[in-house]
Amino acid sequence: GAVVSQHPSWVICKSGTSVKIECRSLDFQATTMFWYRQFPKQSLMLMATSNEGSKATYEQGVEKDKFLINHASLTLSTLTVTSAHPEDSSFYICSAATGGTYEQYFGPGTRLTVT
Amino acid sequence: KNQVEQSPQSLIILEGKNCTLQCNYTVSPFSNLRWYKQDTGRGPVSLTIMTFSENTKSNGRYTATLDADTKQSSLHITASQLSDSASYICVVTLQTGANNLFFGTGTRLTVIP
Repeated sequence: GAVVSQHPSWVICKSGTSVKIECRSLDFQATTMFWYRQFPKQSLMLMATSNEGSKATYEQGVEKDKFLINHASLTLSTLTVTSAHPEDSSFYICSAATGGTYEQYFGPGTRLTVT
Repeated sequence: KNQVEQSPQSLIILEGKNCTLQCNYTVSPFSNLRWYKQDTGRGPVSLTIMTFSENTKSNGRYTATLDADTKQSSLHITASQLSDSASYICVVTLQTGANNLFFGTGTRLTVIP
């Protein structure tokens, strides 16, 4: 149980375009989903927290207009990187948590490369 | 300041050998501590989780210890296998909820034949 999937697993896009990454909780309802970014040889850095049906809370230094997060249902959250630039190239990981516990279940990650 | 520090940053061991990874934290108020294994290009996978009252927790060849007084934890891997090559991340949670996780920078373990 507690499986989280991400799609796509990797994506290459051109500078200036937008990319959408999906995060799904497959066998449980996730009241809260989290988006992380991880650069090579570094740990995960929290970008934003989203609760179903409400606006996401962004960490300091994360541009909310650039990284659009939608959490429209209890099993799906999306991260859209708008007007992507090469410096946005990174490994993006989502996690999901249920309301009753504080356990976060991580997705397998999405490798974004902006050329 | 809430921090999680891990050592060593990287480690190379021979297949079949044991190793111990360290995690020191200053996170307070403490809720629980988790060890994750992260393969290259993959998301973290939980190995163990320990609350304040737990001193040790095992998961196969992985054994985690916790000393809440000194705020130290260790992850011991016995009879290492090539598939153990990965980053191991210590994550400490505040009592205030799921979104209060503090990540260590990880230890990169390489097991060589």
